[in-house]
Amino acid sequence: SQQGEEDPQALSIQEGENATMNCSYKTSINNLQWYRQNSGRGLVHLILIRSNEREKHSGRLRVTLDTSKKSSSLLITASRAADTASYFCAGTGNQFYFGTGTSLTVIP
Amino acid sequence: DTEVTQTPKHLVMGMTNKKSLKCEQHMGHRAMYWYKQKAKKPPELMFVYSYEKLSINESVPSRFSPECPNSSLLNLHLHALQPEDSALYLCASKMRAGPNQPQHFGDGTRLSIL
Repeated sequence: SQQGEEDPQALSIQEGENATMNCSYKTSINNLQWYRQNSGRGLVHLILIRSNEREKHSGRLRVTLDTSKKSSSLLITASRAADTASYFCAGTGNQFYFGTGTSLTVIP
Repeated sequence: DTEVTQTPKHLVMGMTNKKSLKCEQHMGHRAMYWYKQKAKKPPELMFVYSYEKLSINESVPSRFSPECPNSSLLNLHLHALQPEDSALYLCASKMRAGPNQPQHFGDGTRLSIL
């Protein structure tokens, strides 16, 4: 059964704008990870946030985690056409599972 | 280029064929995974190997048979597949089993069942 859901399912923005995608999960986690998948390729790990952290930054990425609401968000600032991809959150606890994914299109 | 190599990249097979998918990594990772991914869906976990031993089988039909001959190599043997098995099959690895390690993915094998 699907343990994580993301919204929006699809997001289209202009280059230079910020993109925010949200992840909600059902079971307790040790950490939450975000992955990117370009069309026809494998997944690439972006960032990991532990359950005792609230916010983490990596370059143009900002991730927040609210364990009381069982939710996380990924913010990509100053988006580029190369950011066009699907983004998945992944919860790690007793199980490892992916969210439903957000398809991001950045228009040049 | 990814550090996890999967071959072949594409595979077309009939329902009576036997074929194998191969996954290789030389990063010294001791946990390896097989996932199945349908179009516009997230990857679904199939099998997990930890230190060359099968640790998780997510109720996968027996027409899929995994094998881990050594710490660098993971195979997925296919036999009598169904059309609904057409999908992208992804292999992943990480340093060791446990929650606080990122997974490294290959680019997958695109499988089509005729």
